[in-house]
Amino acid sequence: GQQLNQSPQSMFIQEGEDVSMNCTSSSIFNTWLWYKQDPGEGPVLLIALYKAGELTSNGRLTAQFGITRKDSFLNISASIPSDVGIYFCAGSDRPTDSWGKLQFGAGTQVVVTP
Amino acid sequence: GAVVSQHPSWVICKSGTSVKIECRSLDFQATTMFWYRQFPKQSLMLMATSNEGSKATYEQGVEKDKFLINHASLTLSTLTVTSAHPEDSSFYICSARVGPLRASPLHFGNGTRLTVT
Repeated sequence: GQQLNQSPQSMFIQEGEDVSMNCTSSSIFNTWLWYKQDPGEGPVLLIALYKAGELTSNGRLTAQFGITRKDSFLNISASIPSDVGIYFCAGSDRPTDSWGKLQFGAGTQVVVTP
Repeated sequence: GAVVSQHPSWVICKSGTSVKIECRSLDFQATTMFWYRQFPKQSLMLMATSNEGSKATYEQGVEKDKFLINHASLTLSTLTVTSAHPEDSSFYICSARVGPLRASPLHFGNGTRLTVT
């Protein structure tokens, strides 16, 4: 199926550093979601974005819905070892009142070293 | 918050046998559930959309006779991998949401690791 363009593919960072990743699409999206997946588990929702320009925080996580509606980024500030995992963006080009299917990015593997 | 439970967490079966995976919405009713498959180091690929009381909608390339989906109640959807083969070994994840996208983003179960020997 169609995927979003998510980058970077992987990141190796030191504890305390900030992390930034982004997703882009060729079409306009109405919803952007960011998930984190630990090994052997299902993805856990981190942040949901529904409006262009929206900037939302969840603890040390901040995500924004791009003004063009074709991109979104996720920042993690002051990383800690438990931030290790794979982060996925997901989006939908359907109206937010619909049951449209989500498209997923390829994921960003984050590795945090002490 | 919405909780999706998946069972079993892992299963090993012999080639040619069938395996059933359950997906339950624990604290809400889900008229629609989704089944995904994930291969190692890859993203989630939607297999099918499970609709309560009606036939599932399969994505292109997914064999509906091999991956049987039953959504008999508002809280339970099952995926049966029939005549499993080693290439069916994968991580299967179900998901559900309470309502349309704005009201409730997609929540996932913990996945089922299927190994076919």
